[in-house]
Amino acid sequence: QSALTQPASVSGSPGQSITISCTGTSSDVGGYNYVSWYQQHPGKAPKLMIYEVSNRPSGVSNRFSGSKSGNTASLTISGLQAEDEADYYCSSYTSSSSLFGGGTKLTVL
Amino acid sequence: QVQLQESGPGLVKPSQTLSLTCTVSGGSISSGSYYWSWIRQPAGKGLEWIGRIYTSGSTNYNPSLKSRVTISVDTSKNQFSLKLSSVTAADTAVYYCARLIAAADWFGAFDIWGQGTMVTVSS
Repeated sequence: QSALTQPASVSGSPGQSITISCTGTSSDVGGYNYVSWYQQHPGKAPKLMIYEVSNRPSGVSNRFSGSKSGNTASLTISGLQAEDEADYYCSSYTSSSSLFGGGTKLTVL
Repeated sequence: QVQLQESGPGLVKPSQTLSLTCTVSGGSISSGSYYWSWIRQPAGKGLEWIGRIYTSGSTNYNPSLKSRVTISVDTSKNQFSLKLSSVTAADTAVYYCARLIAAADWFGAFDIWGQGTMVTVSS
């Protein structure tokens, strides 16, 4: 099994929107609506931001949204804030495993 | 609310077995529909899924680690454990335990994580 593919880095200015992609295959991202996204600040454990492609857990800002088309899922953060600067990971559940993307470093300029 | 806490040696010698335990507090490890999982992260690198054990005891492992990994659960202690044999320096990482939800209305996401524990493989 291969890791999911994410861009290594993205950046944006405060108030702008950014999108992070997560590409897999028909056996993982494309085959299940069980894509989730995690935010990780340095030295901290990952935090769940999106589950089942586009659902937000209670307490997560509505500035975070998710979508999927075919084998590629996306995380969009609107109205960028300084506190959004972090690493972001996608994950896909399958019946036999869970896969992670390589991670994307978001820099808020 | 449910919390997870990893524990175990911070230093393991090459070729030995790494053993970690995750203690579940605030809820029963036997109740609900969850996979209890282990994930690791080498310094400066991304997350790597190691494996999971379902409430029923069934397991799934990362194919790249399968020959060396065992995950088990002790319901009497509300804990689950990781054993990774024949470790090398490449196994040096922060190890996280996490809960993956497997419910009808919320499936496939790691909603609760431990704080992580650093394990170094060195002689």
